[in-house]
Amino acid sequence: GAGVSQSPSNKVTEKGKDVELRCDPISGHTALYWYRQSLGQGLEFLIYFQGNSAPDKSGLPSDRFSAERTGGSVSTLTIQRTQQEDSAVYLCASSFSDRWNEQFFGPGTRLTVL
Amino acid sequence: ILNVEQSPQSLHVQEGDSTNFTCSFPSSNFYALHWYRWETAKSPEALFVMTLNGDEKKKGRISATLNTKEGYSYLYIKGSQPEDSATYLCAFAGGTSYGKLTFGQGTILTVHP
Repeated sequence: GAGVSQSPSNKVTEKGKDVELRCDPISGHTALYWYRQSLGQGLEFLIYFQGNSAPDKSGLPSDRFSAERTGGSVSTLTIQRTQQEDSAVYLCASSFSDRWNEQFFGPGTRLTVL
Repeated sequence: ILNVEQSPQSLHVQEGDSTNFTCSFPSSNFYALHWYRWETAKSPEALFVMTLNGDEKKKGRISATLNTKEGYSYLYIKGSQPEDSATYLCAFAGGTSYGKLTFGQGTILTVHP
């Protein structure tokens, strides 16, 4: 069946512009997660959704970052007024629920802020 | 801040060697310990999710053990093959959040033919 998909796969933007990253989870997965990997760093948690609500958004690095999920399915991660330090690979994952289930990762969006 | 440490950072072995890596994590407020394999140019792929102290899981030549009381997990690969070359990540779920995974920095395994 279809896996987790993300779009765009690559995004180059200028400093100060807003960007939206999209994630389509596996059908039937109620939990959805956002991570990022900056150059030379490990995977960093940003936020996760159970259904449409976000029980934990502690990893969002600043108020320029926001995310929403609608219909228990698609999620968008929005970064406002992008900065060069936002350059990273943004990964989305989904799982059957947020309790003790393996996460299935998408291919990621590579964001470059010039 | 939850600390998840993996060792070694990198490992080079010959085809056919057996190897193991370590993941250490907080021993309190534990929910689960995940292992993922991340091959270059691909997405991380789940190997195991372990929840109980003393858990042992196996998938083919790869196995893992869990000790939640002392806060460590071992991943073993028997008879390494070049296709096992990847970064192996462990991730801890615990504290105040079920769904949040805190990842270690990973162990980069290279298996030479």
